[in-house]
Amino acid sequence: DTAVSQTPKYLVTQMGNDKSIKCEQNLGHDTMYWYKQDSKKFLKIMFSYNNKELIINETVPNRFSPKSPDKAHLNLHINSLELGDSAVYFCASSLLGAGGNTEAFFGQGTRLTVV
Amino acid sequence: DAKTTQPPSMDCAEGRAANLPCNHSTISGNEYVYWYRQIHSQGPQYIIHGLKNNETNEMASLIITEDRKSSTLILPHATLRDTAVYYCIVRVSGSSNTGKLIFGQGTTLQVKP
Repeated sequence: DTAVSQTPKYLVTQMGNDKSIKCEQNLGHDTMYWYKQDSKKFLKIMFSYNNKELIINETVPNRFSPKSPDKAHLNLHINSLELGDSAVYFCASSLLGAGGNTEAFFGQGTRLTVV
Repeated sequence: DAKTTQPPSMDCAEGRAANLPCNHSTISGNEYVYWYRQIHSQGPQYIIHGLKNNETNEMASLIITEDRKSSTLILPHATLRDTAVYYCIVRVSGSSNTGKLIFGQGTTLQVKP
């Protein structure tokens, strides 16, 4: 049973398209995150939702819109894709309500290539 | 969250202990030290964390200096599967904790046969 699962694993699309990446966790966690890892391998947080409420929104173009229909899901929708959006996107989850000192679990990543 | 400094790369012989250092000289009293690793093409994986006492689990040991300004992650018997980028992250605890992880460049550990 995969703890944090993302779909799709690979996504190749043309500039200007709109695409979504889905993420689900079955760990009972209350907080979910999206991270982006660029070609230089730097991992940077984009968004975080705690109990379906947005708690972190880093400086990300508003073409990126996260949506959390429930605590177990956090999807990432990207409008008008640009070449610079090509990266690996990681979903993660953790349990903040347990005192805050717990580990985050990451998905296997979605490699997005914009051509 | 405090900044961390790690060597960019290290080598280790298979079966030997790998000792990965991390400096976090500006760490505050309520900040924990976390270690994650990222094996090629996979998502980051939690290893261990601690506040001031040394910690050990089935994966590794974490040694934190008494002044808390640096720490060392120890993989006691490194295997080829431990080849990865290792990240040392300092994170605040308590009500101001959002769970956000700030990743630096990490240390690329190459375990050699």
